[in-house]
Amino acid sequence: GAVVSQHPSWVICKSGTSVKIECRSLDFQATTMFWYRQFPKQSLMLMATSNEGSKATYEQGVEKDKFLINHASLTLSTLTVTSAHPEDSSFYICSASDRTGGQETQYFGPGTRLLVL
Amino acid sequence: QKEVEQNSGPLSVPEGAIASLNCTYSDRGSQSFFWYRQYSGKSPELIMSIYSNGDKEDGRFTAQLNKASQYVSLLIRDSQPSDSATYLCAVDGAGKSTFGDGTTLTVKP
Repeated sequence: GAVVSQHPSWVICKSGTSVKIECRSLDFQATTMFWYRQFPKQSLMLMATSNEGSKATYEQGVEKDKFLINHASLTLSTLTVTSAHPEDSSFYICSASDRTGGQETQYFGPGTRLLVL
Repeated sequence: QKEVEQNSGPLSVPEGAIASLNCTYSDRGSQSFFWYRQYSGKSPELIMSIYSNGDKEDGRFTAQLNKASQYVSLLIRDSQPSDSATYLCAVDGAGKSTFGDGTTLTVKP
């Protein structure tokens, strides 16, 4: 299967700082990438859909000025959590769509755990 | 009504039994259906995809799709303790996947 990486896997930061998370598709080109957030024992929550070369589409209730998404190439999307606060502590997971073979399949990265102190 | 619904669980089966996970969806136009497995503390991993009505088998896993009934299921034969995880059903439509809330499966030795 297709491989998606995320970096960093863990980050601890002070309240008020910004954190950038990278998502890369390693062996395929991904026109579309997705960013999710998951709190403990809860389901995945889609935050935004990121398309290469265009602005991200945010889900209702997700602040686009707080969660900045950049999809600069077909293999890289970044999520920047600006002015992070303790309530932003969560498990952030990206996925990338692989359209090889005519079917579109989402593959997930390993996730990034963010802890804001 | 949620767009994708899964049996609420948790589901517990003895080792060696068949585990049956069910999912219904509301968008009749959906064409692609996926099952992901998520271990505690990890991200989801794709285990099955299915696009046509009927059964699709891969090792101990069988996905079943019935578009007329808007129903997709996952059967796990000869369940093992290592199958204990949360299973997520995902349905594609409008350029993105919609996920169910997941069913947590525990396989007891």
